[in-house]
Amino acid sequence: EDQVTQSPEALRLQEGESSSLNCSYTVSGLRGLFWYRQDPGKGPEFLFTLYSAGEEKEKERLKATLTKKESFLHITAPKPEDSATYLCAVRNNYGQNFVFGPGTRLSVLP
Amino acid sequence: NAGVTQTPKFRVLKTGQSMTLLCAQDMNHEYMYWYRQDPGMGLRLIHYSVGEGTTAKGEVPDGYNVSRLKKQNFLLGLESAAPSQTSVYFCASSYTTGDGYTFGSGTRLTVV
Repeated sequence: EDQVTQSPEALRLQEGESSSLNCSYTVSGLRGLFWYRQDPGKGPEFLFTLYSAGEEKEKERLKATLTKKESFLHITAPKPEDSATYLCAVRNNYGQNFVFGPGTRLSVLP
Repeated sequence: NAGVTQTPKFRVLKTGQSMTLLCAQDMNHEYMYWYRQDPGMGLRLIHYSVGEGTTAKGEVPDGYNVSRLKKQNFLLGLESAAPSQTSVYFCASSYTTGDGYTFGSGTRLTVV
């Protein structure tokens, strides 16, 4: 059974304090690993897709990396507007569905 | 460009009542999905559709039905609501199975 865990559950950073969020997964044939951002009261917003180990994607202060067992979302010099819940999801080669992790709730304090 | 629109945004039902949640997308996406989101459990797939006139069960389909009579619309029905169906419901769509999803803003449903 495909599974996704995320750590930490919650993270508080000072503005400018860089850190990383972890997504660990087990999947029967990875078709893609996806990162989403979710603001309170809103639906998830797509950020990145990673397809193979060693791949990296960047967007503004965010950088996602992928290994065979986990993905990291690195946040460099975060700002308060980066505060959100970050969701990780995987898709296998066989199904139509993503399996989502529970998310990491990030708070960036000014 | 509206993307994915869900109605209603909030609803309170009594146990045993029925209701339909509407999802509409204007991106000509083939694939549409209904998820529920509960604290600490992540998003779980209820039903999905790979094209007009098709539907399939997801991870947690019991107590729900769906229909996709038009490509742009995906309806989620609760025939006899139960307190366990209290949740936030999200609709999503994608052009292909490999794409990231576009989500709606959600429907917060409370069953009392």
